[in-house]
Amino acid sequence: GAVVSQHPSRVICKSGTSVKIECRSLDFQATTMFWYRQFPKQSLMLMATSNEGSKATYEQGVEKDKFLINHASLTLSTLTVTSAHPEDSSFYICSARDQEGGNQPQHFGDGTRLSIL
Amino acid sequence: AQKVTQAQTEISVVEKEDVTLDCVYETRDTTYYLFWYKQPPSGELVFLIRRNSFDEQNEISGRYSWNFQKSTSSFNFTITASQVVDSAVYFCALREYNQGGKLIFGQGTELSVKP
Repeated sequence: GAVVSQHPSRVICKSGTSVKIECRSLDFQATTMFWYRQFPKQSLMLMATSNEGSKATYEQGVEKDKFLINHASLTLSTLTVTSAHPEDSSFYICSARDQEGGNQPQHFGDGTRLSIL
Repeated sequence: AQKVTQAQTEISVVEKEDVTLDCVYETRDTTYYLFWYKQPPSGELVFLIRRNSFDEQNEISGRYSWNFQKSTSSFNFTITASQVVDSAVYFCALREYNQGGKLIFGQGTELSVKP
């Protein structure tokens, strides 16, 4: 079945570092991918919708300059956390759909656990 | 506005007990989709079921069953004869047809099944 690969699975780095997370659809093309963030013991909150070939759409309260999203191909979206600080430590998870509209489920990556020291 | 509420933050049961996880949703759309996901301690999301707003048939899959009632805007999930491996956080989610595919998640219910 459809699979979404997310890399890396875990990152530990110093404050001020920029961190790039990749989300790949392995056997389907995804014009749209989604980035979610989950703090411990909390729900998943949508950060942004990544659109292939165009600018991402950010949810209210999410800083565009802080969380850079690039969706340069139909199988790859990247999220870059720029100048990360301890409050950015969280679980980031991406998802993709292989069909616009309809009731196809989103396929989720396995997530990236980001820890900023 | 769309919203998903899972009022049960934590549930603890003993193995072999039946357990129901509640989910209530709010939407103004007539076309929408409801989902349940399981999130084990390792963090990945495991898709369990999808139901569209046109289909109110209840569904059973092994020990899992789902009760969708539009009249009460609920989509409850029951695990029969629970097992320790069922321990996880379970999320209910809503997707409105015209919202570009984004999912609105409930707060999650942490299920602990003790031997």
